[in-house]
Amino acid sequence: DTGVSQDPRHKITKRGQNVTFRCDPISEHNRLYWYRQTLGQGPEFLTYFQNEAQLEKSRLLSDRFSAERPKGSFSTLEIQRTEQGDSAMYLCASSLGDISYEQYFGPGTRLTVT
Amino acid sequence: GDSVTQMEGPVTLSEEAFLTINCTYTATGYPSLFWYVQYPGEGLQLLLKATKADDKGSNKGFEATYRKETTSFHLEKGSVQVSDSAVYFCALGSWESQGNLIFGKGTKLSVKP
Repeated sequence: DTGVSQDPRHKITKRGQNVTFRCDPISEHNRLYWYRQTLGQGPEFLTYFQNEAQLEKSRLLSDRFSAERPKGSFSTLEIQRTEQGDSAMYLCASSLGDISYEQYFGPGTRLTVT
Repeated sequence: GDSVTQMEGPVTLSEEAFLTINCTYTATGYPSLFWYVQYPGEGLQLLLKATKADDKGSNKGFEATYRKETTSFHLEKGSVQVSDSAVYFCALGSWESQGNLIFGKGTKLSVKP
């Protein structure tokens, strides 16, 4: 068990560019969550997958954001036409199932939009 | 909607002092409650949890009791160490929210030797 990994750890991009982040969950975990954390705030839920199905999306997830989890393994989060307000830490978590199970968090990807 | 409010930091304590970090919640259903900890440069880790009223979660000397009557889940430790310096997040999750966690803003704890 190598834990949840995220790549890259840091990303600096210019406004208007597209960025993509990757999350590799713990291998046997069927649930995968994306959260966003801004400075001085707690993480805020963005979306989650049960296997390959995306089951819920937060209102924070504008149409510039898209997430996928092909084959129910790793997941990608893409942000198109980035804005300065997208600057944040993007966290991925995985779990064996519903609320009964612990969510294990990755180290996060820190995005800076200049 | 559901929400979590925790005391603002930063909190600075001397080693071996008693720690309390207050957390209250608002929820329409019957949530599970969690404390997560984030050490410098690391990801969030689950510290303890409680799934129903009057449950006490405990780990590494930290404790928190799920109080439905006061909608609270305060974190306590009798004697803090320098290694406890971190940011602590209170969170709730429920069947209604499909397990997505709702976090407080976090409380930064610094423990001085």
